[in-house]
Amino acid sequence: KAGVTQTPRYLIKTRGQQVTLSCSPISGHRSVSWYQQTPGQGLQFLFEYFSETQRNKGNFPGRFSGRQFSNSRSEMNVSTLELGDSALYLCASSLNSYEQYFGPGTRLTVT
Amino acid sequence: SQQGEEDPQALSIQEGENATMNCSYKTSINNLQWYRQNSGRGLVHLILIRSNEREKHSGRLRVTLDTSKKSSSLLITASRAADTASYFCATVPFERNTPLVFGKGTRLSVIA
Repeated sequence: KAGVTQTPRYLIKTRGQQVTLSCSPISGHRSVSWYQQTPGQGLQFLFEYFSETQRNKGNFPGRFSGRQFSNSRSEMNVSTLELGDSALYLCASSLNSYEQYFGPGTRLTVT
Repeated sequence: SQQGEEDPQALSIQEGENATMNCSYKTSINNLQWYRQNSGRGLVHLILIRSNEREKHSGRLRVTLDTSKKSSSLLITASRAADTASYFCATVPFERNTPLVFGKGTRLSVIA
């Protein structure tokens, strides 16, 4: 089975711009979760989607949004980028929201 | 906010030695999981232990869970240089459909 894929792997953006990250889960997995990882805050949960519905949301501002498509692929969007949004963004898919299978991440740098 | 807190934050050992990492958490859990992350990459699921289990083995890994103390430990036996990575514990709260909560991790360095 192919693993979780994330595109792009690396991204450099300027403050004020917006960005869209993409995640393709493992075939058959309906749950997709997004995490932000920074050296200072560690791994922080952004949101989880299950069958196209947002099931959980972390404590992030409304600039962070996501969606899931009928084929379980998911996208997350960050608008009006700030320097503090520089991070590794990880996507994970799961059958049951327990064991998570992570993608390689997208490294976002905001300048 | 993080529920799991790993201890120590960093650990450096010689190849062949055992490495022990600890995790403490705050609320009732359904299960606890351990993940490994190689530098700047995605996390890899290592092992899951349910709240009604006390110990679990997988290859060179041994995990214990003490729900009365709200703590878990991960033991890696006969460590190898390839075990160098960050290790995270993650808890699944007792309430259904709530997301994993990760700790800040233990950075393990295995010196050849």
